[in-house]
Amino acid sequence: KAGVTQTPRYLIKTRGQQVTLSCSPISGHRSVSWYQQTPGQGLQFLFEYFSETQRNKGNFPGRFSGRQFSNSRSEMNVSTLELGDSALYLCASSTGTGEGDEQFFGPGTRLTVL
Amino acid sequence: GEDVEQSLFLSVREGDSSVINCTYTDSSSTYLYWYKQEPGAGLQLLTYIFSNMDMKQDQRLTVLLNKKDKHLSLRIADTQTGDSAIYFCAVLPLSGGSYIPTFGRGTSLIVHP
Repeated sequence: KAGVTQTPRYLIKTRGQQVTLSCSPISGHRSVSWYQQTPGQGLQFLFEYFSETQRNKGNFPGRFSGRQFSNSRSEMNVSTLELGDSALYLCASSTGTGEGDEQFFGPGTRLTVL
Repeated sequence: GEDVEQSLFLSVREGDSSVINCTYTDSSSTYLYWYKQEPGAGLQLLTYIFSNMDMKQDQRLTVLLNKKDKHLSLRIADTQTGDSAIYFCAVLPLSGGSYIPTFGRGTSLIVHP
């Protein structure tokens, strides 16, 4: 069974630009969650999509948005990039139907904003 | 909301036991997890414990839960250099049917020969 894949693995952008990151979950998983990981703040939850609908949302500004397609693949978009958006962005997939069901993480996309 | 705290660093000698500690605030938490992150990789679930358990053992890993003190620990016996990684504690609060755990900041475990 293929794991969670994220593309691209590395990305360099400049302030003010926008970026789109992609996540393909494990086959059969309907939930995709996105996290931002930085040395200072640790792992922070961005949002979760389940069956093409945003089901949970963290405390991030509206510049951060996402969507999920009918095949459960998800994209995350960050508009008007700021230096502080430099981070490792992780996505995790799960069945999303049971409390405590395991989240499987992808390797992440390393975003650097110059 | 839920708050999860971990110490940032732990250094041990190869062959010794490592104990990584975590405290949390929401006493209604149902599932408590330990994840491992190796350099350049995502998080991998190591083990988890239900809130109605006090201890869980899985090969070299022992998880202890003290619900009264809201304290979770992960003990790694016979620590090896390959155990060097960041270890995250995560807690699933019982609130609103959300299945999203809250993560601590991670403890960097450094194992030296």
